[in-house]
Amino acid sequence: KNEVEQSPQNLTAQEGEFITINCSYSVGISALHWLQQHPGGGIVSLFMLSSGKKKHGRLIATINIQEKHSSLHITASHPRDSAVYICAVTSSGTSGSRLTFGEGTQLTVNP
Amino acid sequence: DTEVTQTPKHLVMGMTNKKSLKCEQHMGHRAMYWYKQKAKKPPELMFVYSYEKLSINESVPSRFSPECPNSSLLNLHLHALQPEDSALYLCASSRGTAYNQPQHFGDGTRLSIL
Repeated sequence: KNEVEQSPQNLTAQEGEFITINCSYSVGISALHWLQQHPGGGIVSLFMLSSGKKKHGRLIATINIQEKHSSLHITASHPRDSAVYICAVTSSGTSGSRLTFGEGTQLTVNP
Repeated sequence: DTEVTQTPKHLVMGMTNKKSLKCEQHMGHRAMYWYKQKAKKPPELMFVYSYEKLSINESVPSRFSPECPNSSLLNLHLHALQPEDSALYLCASSRGTAYNQPQHFGDGTRLSIL
């Protein structure tokens, strides 16, 4: 079992829909990251969380430390949101430079 | 535009060639990373440099040789690669290696080994 599990693996939505991607982890963490990777390859860091909730534009990330679970929400989805979304954690007691990645969620938003 | 610049964007090389991948950042970051990413898989950490010194080597084969000439530059020297080394190679940087400092990624170099 992977230390970081994401669901769903693939997600197709219509433009305007509310989207949720889930991430569960099995280790103690110092921080959880949500990353976005477009087909060209570059990765963008969306959020870094250690507690609570963060919002940036149409994106919202939440984390529940007790349940070891995080969600990434996209409101009013748009075709330009189509990308792979990756959850990654920094485990407690390890170097902050060592990220453990989930397998990613491929999101396709159709017009 | 990404703040971490990688060159070249694409590279095709034979198994006997020697080539180098380059990564540059001007954010004053003191930690720099190389990752390898195969299709539909998450990135795998290869090397970490902290203050221009190699701090993590994830048991990477010696045909990959990293170099950090100064705090802004990171190179990955390639020699005698195998077809299975074909992948996207991503560079990243962060202010330091503490857990609360996010990594900034480049767009990657897509490498194909013939």
